[in-house]
Amino acid sequence: DAGVIQSPRHEVTEMGQEVTLRCKPISGHDYLFWYRQTMMRGLELLIYFNNNVPIDDSGMPEDRFSAKMPNASFSTLKIQPSEPRDSAVYFCASSPPGLASYEQYFGPGTRLTVT
Amino acid sequence: SQELEQSPQSLIVQEGKNLTINCTSSKTLYGLYWYKQKYGEGLIFLMMLQKGGEEKSHEKITAKLDEKKQQSSLHITASQPSHAGIYLCGADIEETSGSRLTFGEGTQLTVNP
Repeated sequence: DAGVIQSPRHEVTEMGQEVTLRCKPISGHDYLFWYRQTMMRGLELLIYFNNNVPIDDSGMPEDRFSAKMPNASFSTLKIQPSEPRDSAVYFCASSPPGLASYEQYFGPGTRLTVT
Repeated sequence: SQELEQSPQSLIVQEGKNLTINCTSSKTLYGLYWYKQKYGEGLIFLMMLQKGGEEKSHEKITAKLDEKKQQSSLHITASQPSHAGIYLCGADIEETSGSRLTFGEGTQLTVNP
């Protein structure tokens, strides 16, 4: 398996612009997680889905952030409008069903820089 | 996360030395997960501990869970430069959290040849 795929790997954008991050989970995994990692705050869970349904979005910082999972093989995290404080590495992770649902497999991340 | 404290925050050791990283929770642990991260890359799952007293090993890395102390330790024997990276513990600390994990801030390990 190719693992969790994220795109783009790097994104540089200007404040106010819309940013869309993409994720393809591992086939057969029914949990999908979006995390944000910064030096100041460490690794934070933003939102996670189970069977394409958002289960917990309490970590989404503001209404500027939105996430969708239209099908089992694709998810997006959108920031609109972006702000410099959104600069971070955004990780997508997926995990299989059942007891192994905590065994999360992470993608390589998208490094976002908002100037 | 203040709910999960890792110590030390950073560690520099000479190749061949043993080392231990600790992860302590302020809440009841329902599961503890160790990950390794190299700079600029995603997290790699190492092992999962779910029962008090459980101990697991992967190559030269051993992790233990002390449920009473709400603590886990990660021990590396005869460290190698390939062990260098950031080690993060993730934990299920809420009984009804489903698959949500809370992560520690990580321990940066440097192994000098």
